[in-house]
Amino acid sequence: KQEVTQIPAALSVPEGENLVLNCSFTDSAIYNLQWFRQDPGKGLTSLLLIQSSQREQTSGRLNASLDKSSGRSTLYIAASQPGDSATYLCAVRRGYGQNFVFGPGTRLSVLP
Amino acid sequence: DGGITQSPKYLFRKEGQNVTLSCEQNLNHDAMYWYRQDPGQGLRLIYYSQIVNDFQKGDIAEGYSVSREKKESFPLTVTSAQKNPTAFYLCASSSRQGVGNQPQHFGDGTRLSIL
Repeated sequence: KQEVTQIPAALSVPEGENLVLNCSFTDSAIYNLQWFRQDPGKGLTSLLLIQSSQREQTSGRLNASLDKSSGRSTLYIAASQPGDSATYLCAVRRGYGQNFVFGPGTRLSVLP
Repeated sequence: DGGITQSPKYLFRKEGQNVTLSCEQNLNHDAMYWYRQDPGQGLRLIYYSQIVNDFQKGDIAEGYSVSREKKESFPLTVTSAQKNPTAFYLCASSSRQGVGNQPQHFGDGTRLSIL
């Protein structure tokens, strides 16, 4: 059974720092992996989707990497801003046409 | 603007009562999903539907029911059989084009509480 974990559970950094959020999954046979952002009391906003054949994806100040063999993905946020404060979740799709398994999220606070 | 609309934003249920959460999308997506989110846990899949008039149980379907009579709509009923319904419920949709390659889009959620 696929399990997804995220470390740390919470992170607080000063504005301007570069930071890395971690996502680990137990079964390396994934189809793709998606990173989401969730603001308090809101739904999820898709940030990046990485296919299993890809090593990384970039969007603005965000860069997500994928290492299937080690069961890990990282989300790198450059030059963090207070507006980046949110919970970040990763989710892995188990196979073609199958559904996502979500991690519990990392709650990020960027202090001005 | 295209998107997913969930209503109501807040919902209260009395003991023994069934309640229905609404989810409507105008993204022309074939696939729709219902998740439950509890504090400190990841989202857990309740039900999903890949096409109209067809739906499948997810990991925690007991005490819930759904219907998919229209492409745009995927309502979730929380029945009295669900003994711990207090949670944040999220609806999502995705395109089936290139199934598995498309990101999921989410609504803003419904928070259900017990009176």
